[in-house]
Amino acid sequence: GENVEQHPSTLSVQEGDSAVIKCTYSDSASNYFPWYKQELGKRPQLIIDIRSNVGEKKDQRIAVTLNKTAKHFSLHITETQPEDSAVYFCAASSGSGDKLTFGTGTRLAVRP
Amino acid sequence: DAMVIQNPRYQVTQFGKPVTLSCSQTLNHNVMYWYQQKSSQAPKLLFHYYDKDFNNEADTPDNFQSRRPNTSFCFLDIRSPGLGDAAMYLCATSRGGYPYEQYFGPGTRLTVT
Repeated sequence: GENVEQHPSTLSVQEGDSAVIKCTYSDSASNYFPWYKQELGKRPQLIIDIRSNVGEKKDQRIAVTLNKTAKHFSLHITETQPEDSAVYFCAASSGSGDKLTFGTGTRLAVRP
Repeated sequence: DAMVIQNPRYQVTQFGKPVTLSCSQTLNHNVMYWYQQKSSQAPKLLFHYYDKDFNNEADTPDNFQSRRPNTSFCFLDIRSPGLGDAAMYLCATSRGGYPYEQYFGPGTRLTVT
């Protein structure tokens, strides 16, 4: 089955700096890669996703890049703000798309 | 506007006493999922339904069962909760058939005393 590794497990940045979180996956058939943000005690919420026919996607301060050959994808957050502090999970879909395999999560802290 | 609703939000049960958690959705999605999430860990998929087709994860304990009586509702039954079953239980839905976003409910925090 699919295996998703995520690094780093914790990340602390100064407000205004950029943050990068990286994930690798094992199943070359995976074709959908969402990123979820989870604030303490709240539900995971999708912040951006990318499909395997696209190499990069951007939404305001958030971008995701995908390298299918190397089987890795990354989340980039620019101009970080304190409200970006949360746990971020990457995920990859199984071939049918009905199941997601999650990475282990990155706890991001943005220092004011 | 709630799209995925979970009840109750907090549940306390005694060791070995059966408990049922419920999930409902207004999205008319084909797929419903149950995840277990323990502190500082990723959500762990327990099982999912594609319409009425039940899909169990290989490592989901037999202590966990699920029912989906109709499109809108799905239930998680824990037959004999142990202390290790204390966790946040998240329900999610998806359109299915193609990789689509999963929409999560607010979760039920289960405490086992």
